[in-house]
Amino acid sequence: AQRVTQPEKLLSVFKGAPVELKCNYSYSGSPELFWYVQYSRQRLQLLLRHISRESIKGFTADLNKGETSFHLKKPFAQEEDSAMYYCALSSSSGGYNKLIFGAGTRLAVHP
Amino acid sequence: EAGVAQSPRYKIIEKRQSVAFWCNPISGHATLYWYQQILGQGPKLLIQFQNNGVVDDSQLPKDRFSAERLKGVDSTLKIQPAKLEDSAVYLCASSFGTGVNTEAFFGQGTRLTVV
Repeated sequence: AQRVTQPEKLLSVFKGAPVELKCNYSYSGSPELFWYVQYSRQRLQLLLRHISRESIKGFTADLNKGETSFHLKKPFAQEEDSAMYYCALSSSSGGYNKLIFGAGTRLAVHP
Repeated sequence: EAGVAQSPRYKIIEKRQSVAFWCNPISGHATLYWYQQILGQGPKLLIQFQNNGVVDDSQLPKDRFSAERLKGVDSTLKIQPAKLEDSAVYLCASSFGTGVNTEAFFGQGTRLTVV
């Protein structure tokens, strides 16, 4: 079964502390993974994707196929990072791809 | 900026009533998605269109939900009759294509409350 698991509903840290948002996936093929973010009163938007291997707003995510994980990390959290974060898996079916989302983790960064 | 437009933003109805949501995707985006997001859960895909054809509706409760995208642009999602468990945010998204790394752009969503 194709599934994305985010074990933490809430992650609360202080400004300047390191952050790691956990994501584990279950997928039989070669996975393509994303992190989407939703800031307060804004729409859901792409933060980063695995294939780009980029750092966005200081966040990085490494795909670990052995552990089937795609954890999101940032060395020093900022208050503006407070948001809902969703890990998503691109699943292929019938020639089309769709996104399967995890339940999300709320990151709260305190001053 | 031009983005995915949805209306209405909020809707409250009684159970067994019907309701419809509207979505206007980003211009030129051939793929359109409707997601249901129940409180405390991630978005769940209900239906996916490629132009005006359905490519995935495996999780759409077809006894009460229907969706159409007649001219390959705007789309409507209808619920008839609504149940209490349909209370959720309904998100519309669009993308330029359906490649494995295609970015989906989301609307603000419609928050439905069924009482």
